[in-house]
Amino acid sequence: DTGVSQDPRHKITKRGQNVTFRCDPISEHNRLYWYRQTLGQGPEFLTYFQNEAQLEKSRLLSDRFSAERPKGSFSTLEIQRTEQGDSAMYLCASSPSTSQGHYGYTFGSGTRLTVV
Amino acid sequence: GEDVEQSLFLSVREGDSSVINCTYTDSSSTYLYWYKQEPGAGLQLLTYIFSNMDMKQDQRLTVLLNKKDKHLSLRIADTQTGDSAIYFCPEPSGGSYIPTFGRGTSLIVHP
Repeated sequence: DTGVSQDPRHKITKRGQNVTFRCDPISEHNRLYWYRQTLGQGPEFLTYFQNEAQLEKSRLLSDRFSAERPKGSFSTLEIQRTEQGDSAMYLCASSPSTSQGHYGYTFGSGTRLTVV
Repeated sequence: GEDVEQSLFLSVREGDSSVINCTYTDSSSTYLYWYKQEPGAGLQLLTYIFSNMDMKQDQRLTVLLNKKDKHLSLRIADTQTGDSAIYFCPEPSGGSYIPTFGRGTSLIVHP
């Protein structure tokens, strides 16, 4: 297992277009998280899944954002009708569930979105 | 959850020790972590400490935990230019243990 993979690494899109990002977590990890990070800020939580269930969504997440993890493995994050304010790095992370003892997050390299 | 408090910048000379401090609010965490983020990259788990320990050493890294004051620090001995990065100490927020990240501390190592 090579860690958490995110695709694409970079995405440039025109305002108003829809974009979809993919995250492949570490296979043994049943928790998957999406964060967004803008320049000079720390990662901001968007949503997380335990297996295929989306258990929590940030109140900051507008209804233009949707995430899925249909089979409890990879996840997709879709942004509809993109706006310039959506330009950011989108980070995915995975972890074992807390019941498995020590937990830490393994982050992917992120998808950098630029909306022009 | 509340944001952790960290200084935004730390500048050190190569070969010196660096100490990055963090004050957190949620004392229910079983573990506390340090993450490192290099430019343009995701976050990398650097080290962690179990909450009933007060110190952990891992090669050049020393983590100190003062639970009473909710203060966590990361000491990097013999700091190298490759240590230049942003360092985060997140804390879990809520019962689902979703970490909350502050802005981190940007460590700048100069020759």
